[in-house]
Amino acid sequence: GDSVTQMEGPVTLSEEAFLTINCTYTATGYPSLFWYVQYPGEGLQLLLKATKADDKGSNKGFEATYRKETTSFHLEKGSVQVSDSAVYFCALSGANFGNEKLTFGTGTRLTIIP
Amino acid sequence: GAVVSQHPSRVICKSGTSVKIECRSLDFQATTMFWYRQFPKQSLMLMATSNEGSKATYEQGVEKDKFLINHASLTLSTLTVTSAHPEDSSFYICSAYRPNTGELFFGEGSRLTVL
Repeated sequence: GDSVTQMEGPVTLSEEAFLTINCTYTATGYPSLFWYVQYPGEGLQLLLKATKADDKGSNKGFEATYRKETTSFHLEKGSVQVSDSAVYFCALSGANFGNEKLTFGTGTRLTIIP
Repeated sequence: GAVVSQHPSRVICKSGTSVKIECRSLDFQATTMFWYRQFPKQSLMLMATSNEGSKATYEQGVEKDKFLINHASLTLSTLTVTSAHPEDSSFYICSAYRPNTGELFFGEGSRLTVL
């Protein structure tokens, strides 16, 4: 079945550091890939997505590129801020974004220190 | 602001009792809602898909008599953990699908502790 393997946390970085959170997947066909973020006390929010190979999703300075050859969707940000502290989840769905069920990674807790 | 609300956010109950968790879409009608469960340091596991006006579709290994799901209206789905036991202690999260935009929104989650 489909699965998502995500870099284990927690991850602690200083402000303005470069961030990479690794995510690889196993799926049949051509899944859509997502990064969700969960801030303290809030529900998961969609951060970015990519629906086909070589697509790059971006939002709030975060980027991730859908790499079919390496089955990866690593999350990157060039300069993190304290406000980026949250839990990040990589996920996939078996069809274009919609009411297809999502398969999630374990989540990576990110803490940014001033 | 939040578009999907879960209640309660935390609940503690005695073993053998039943607990109901509500998931509401606040400003849209959700034809489909999903219920997830998350164990510490593990990923969100889909428990069931809840469609308004019909029976929920449960994932393999999820006891439908244990986890009762009702989606009686387009803005409300409920998850009832019946005869709860300590192993049911977990973080339960719902999501709601907004069909006109194709977006999926998540609730804040409900932490259940069974003593």
